[in-house]
Amino acid sequence: NAGVTQTPKFQVLKTGQSMTLQCAQDMNHEYMSWYRQDPGMGLRLIHYSVGAGITDQGEVPNGYNVSRSTTEDFPLRLLSAAPSQTSVYFCASSYGQRATNEKLFFGSGTQLSVL
Amino acid sequence: EDKVVQSPLSLVVHEGDTVTLNCSYEVTNFRSLLWYKQEKKAPTFLFMLTSSGIEKKSGRLSSILDKKELFSILNITATQTGDSAVYLCAVVFRTTNFGNEKLTFGTGTRLTIIP
Repeated sequence: NAGVTQTPKFQVLKTGQSMTLQCAQDMNHEYMSWYRQDPGMGLRLIHYSVGAGITDQGEVPNGYNVSRSTTEDFPLRLLSAAPSQTSVYFCASSYGQRATNEKLFFGSGTQLSVL
Repeated sequence: EDKVVQSPLSLVVHEGDTVTLNCSYEVTNFRSLLWYKQEKKAPTFLFMLTSSGIEKKSGRLSSILDKKELFSILNITATQTGDSAVYLCAVVFRTTNFGNEKLTFGTGTRLTIIP
């Protein structure tokens, strides 16, 4: 029972590089989301999805792209990394298309540093 | 603008004390309020509240929601060092009457329990 799996756990990028943070869940959850967590800022929603083929923006979407081709996977792409994107990133999912259907299950996080 | 505000930002108490953490919110189309505990990595779910005045309890932790005054409190009695963590409040809401649900977190309260 893997739950929500995020990879990598740590990543260092140079400014301008691109990369994809992977998120997969094996609980057949419809709702998936990406958050970033910065000191003093709490968790801020980047993008979310209520099912395969359906995505929407959160509070801080600029500089990030997402897609949802399958129920299981919800990758987050950084197109051209900037130092302002240095943060801890969490993927989270929940049952159904509604965030309130059940509690969110979080991945273990990705610590990203952009130099 | 939709927002969730937690207070205090940080709190240091002695083991055995009782603490009350606060969460106020201003959102359209409120759906529910959730409390999470974050120690070192991913947040873990504590409570979900949808109705006013109904206390949720789990051991020494309890929480209640006031939908008229738009706030919730999280109480921890007889605190232990293992309660040291960041406590996050999150609110689920719709941005429009028929829009998708979003989950927005507060900045968190850092609780430190001194032995």
